[in-house]
Amino acid sequence: AQTVTQSQPEMSVQEAETVTLSCTYDTSESNYYLFWYKQPPSRQMILVIRQEAYKQQNATENRFSVNFQKAAKSFSLKISDSQLGDTAMYFCAFRGRTSYDKVIFGPGTSLSVIP
Amino acid sequence: GAVVSQHPSWVICKSGTSVKIECRSLDFQATTMFWYRQFPKQSLMLMATSNEGSKATYEQGVEKDKFLINHASLTLSTLTVTSAHPEDSSFYICSAREVTVEQYFGPGTRLTVT
Repeated sequence: AQTVTQSQPEMSVQEAETVTLSCTYDTSESNYYLFWYKQPPSRQMILVIRQEAYKQQNATENRFSVNFQKAAKSFSLKISDSQLGDTAMYFCAFRGRTSYDKVIFGPGTSLSVIP
Repeated sequence: GAVVSQHPSWVICKSGTSVKIECRSLDFQATTMFWYRQFPKQSLMLMATSNEGSKATYEQGVEKDKFLINHASLTLSTLTVTSAHPEDSSFYICSAREVTVEQYFGPGTRLTVT
């Protein structure tokens, strides 16, 4: 069974600084998807970034980028130029390749951006 | 992006009663819908997966008779909490997926059982 681990329950960063959130996962599959989701105080889940395992290039979305290390089963999220609106829970998630595979979430990291 | 709605956003019910939560995909057809439960400061826990026209597949430890899921159409899924008790109080989130990779989340429903 797949598992997703986030070893940092809470983190804080100064506004405009850079922060990296860690995520590791375990799977026997070779093709899969990895995601970072953001859950602000409103509790609406927002997709931040997606990575397909067969792509070696790390995904980027504006200020958000990932460091995907497939052999190490590591998938960290880097947030550059942190903004107050980045304050939220961040969940790392895994999904297998088939259409009906469920998304498995990590325990989450609570990020606070300090003005 | 695609929109998923949930109704109600907050419901209070008395212990022993049943409550229904609706999840709708507003601008796409959801071949698969998921129901999650989230306790404060915790992650999302998958309760069940449903495909339109089929019986839901429940995760281990989730009571099928207590949490009734119906995926009646490609745009609507419902979760009914039967004979609710205070320990069922939680935040329930639905998610919908079409045939692509993307999975869209509803805004959630806060259930309080008194």
